[in-house]
Amino acid sequence: AQSVTQLDSQVPVFEEAPVELRCNYSSSVSVYLFWYVQYPNQGLQLLLKYLSGSTLVKGINGFEAEFNKSQTSFHLRKPSVHISDTAEYFCAVSDVDTGRRALTFGSGTRLQVQP
Amino acid sequence: GAGVSQSPSNKVTEKGKDVELRCDPISGHTALYWYRQSLGQGLEFLIYFQGNSAPDKSGLPSDRFSAERTGGSVSTLTIQRTQQEDSAVYLCASSLGVGPEAFFGQGTRLTVV
Repeated sequence: AQSVTQLDSQVPVFEEAPVELRCNYSSSVSVYLFWYVQYPNQGLQLLLKYLSGSTLVKGINGFEAEFNKSQTSFHLRKPSVHISDTAEYFCAVSDVDTGRRALTFGSGTRLQVQP
Repeated sequence: GAGVSQSPSNKVTEKGKDVELRCDPISGHTALYWYRQSLGQGLEFLIYFQGNSAPDKSGLPSDRFSAERTGGSVSTLTIQRTQQEDSAVYLCASSLGVGPEAFFGQGTRLTVV
C-alpha cells in the first residue's frame, strides 16, 4: 500500500518570494514520483516527474523538485513565484515494480500568491 | 486528438437516475484511468484499463459504478441510481503503453440533486 502526505493544505506567499511545497510518501515498493498542478476549473497538468537518475528534476514554469530516498520526500520548489502560480498542487506516486500505473495522490496544497 | 477529451463538462442529475460520462483518450494511448475528485475524499483512483488486459477495478466504490472501454479507445463510466455522495469531478487520464506519465482531461463535474 502507498500513501502520500502533503502537510500544508494552504501556503500563502508574496509575489517574487521563494516557495517550497512539501511532500512525503510511504511505500513498500519503489515508486515513480510526480507533481501535478490544477488551475481553477481545470484538469491536472503535469509539472514534473522523477522516474530514475538525477534526484533533482526540473519541470515547467520554473519549478523543480528533489527526490530524497532516505527521507522519502519529494518537495517542490520555485525560487520566485508569480501571481499566475496560484493554483492547487498535488504530489502523486505510482508503482515501479508491479507495473500498476494508477496514481496515489496527496490531499493537495493550495498555493496563494499575493501581490 | 490533441489531448484527453471528456464530455459532458457539467452534468446535473436527479438522485436515483443513471448517468454516463465519456472519455476520449489521446490517440495511441493504450492505458486509460478514471479518477474521482471530491471535497471530502480528495483524488481517488477508480478504474484502470491497459490494452486488452482485464481492467483493474479495485477503486470502484460500489457496484453502482461500472466502466467499459470499446475498441481500446473511448471509455464510458456509468453510475447507476446516483446518490448525492456521487457528486464530484470525474477525471479521465491516459498514458502511452506502460509509461508512468498520465495526461488528464478537464473533467466532468457531476452534481446529484
